[in-house]
Amino acid sequence: GQNIDQPTEMTATEGAIVQINCTYQTSGFNGLFWYQQHAGEAPTFLSYNVLDGLEEKGRFSSFLSRSKGYSYLLLKELQMKDSASYLCAVSNSNYQLIWGAGTKLIIKP
Amino acid sequence: GAVVSQHPSRVICKSGTSVKIECRSLDFQATTMFWYRQFPKQSLMLMATSNEGSKATYEQGVEKDKFLINHASLTLSTLTVTSAHPEDSSFYICSARDIASGKGEQYFGPGTRLTVT
Repeated sequence: GQNIDQPTEMTATEGAIVQINCTYQTSGFNGLFWYQQHAGEAPTFLSYNVLDGLEEKGRFSSFLSRSKGYSYLLLKELQMKDSASYLCAVSNSNYQLIWGAGTKLIIKP
Repeated sequence: GAVVSQHPSRVICKSGTSVKIECRSLDFQATTMFWYRQFPKQSLMLMATSNEGSKATYEQGVEKDKFLINHASLTLSTLTVTSAHPEDSSFYICSARDIASGKGEQYFGPGTRLTVT
């Protein structure tokens, strides 16, 4: 089967750094996506990795290891507005997105 | 950037009536659009994949006669919830894949909140 695993919930402090992990098993691989979703809103695109390594975009970075079926999203200098759910999704051989259940990130002052 | 619109953003309807939701890609062409449903505090659930010019592919457990999907052009897909019931109340979100992009990234519409009374 195909599945994506990520923690259900994480808590971090404003100004700190947090790493959200994602492991996956899919039929084929055409890239891994991270999306941010605030409560009551649709997801918004954060990052895309198709090759191994780290992709940095401002305060957010995403890492991929295809051999390990593993990715993480790193958020630096956390702000209260970063409180949201973070969704990991993998594009399989049919370019269909397989979604994780999402990680709810709670930021405390 | 790629923009996807959905209309309406909110709709309240009576039990037994039908509701149509439109999903449009505004600045790109999408041969494939996806319809998701999300209940409160739960993850996205893919309902169906909408392919331009052909029949939609429904996920297991989704009734194709209840959730009618039409993808008549490269920029428009519609979802019609027929004979809606209170249990159909949910947040419906569409996404579209840009055919010009090699990533397979999906761009999401803002969602439609359906309440069936």
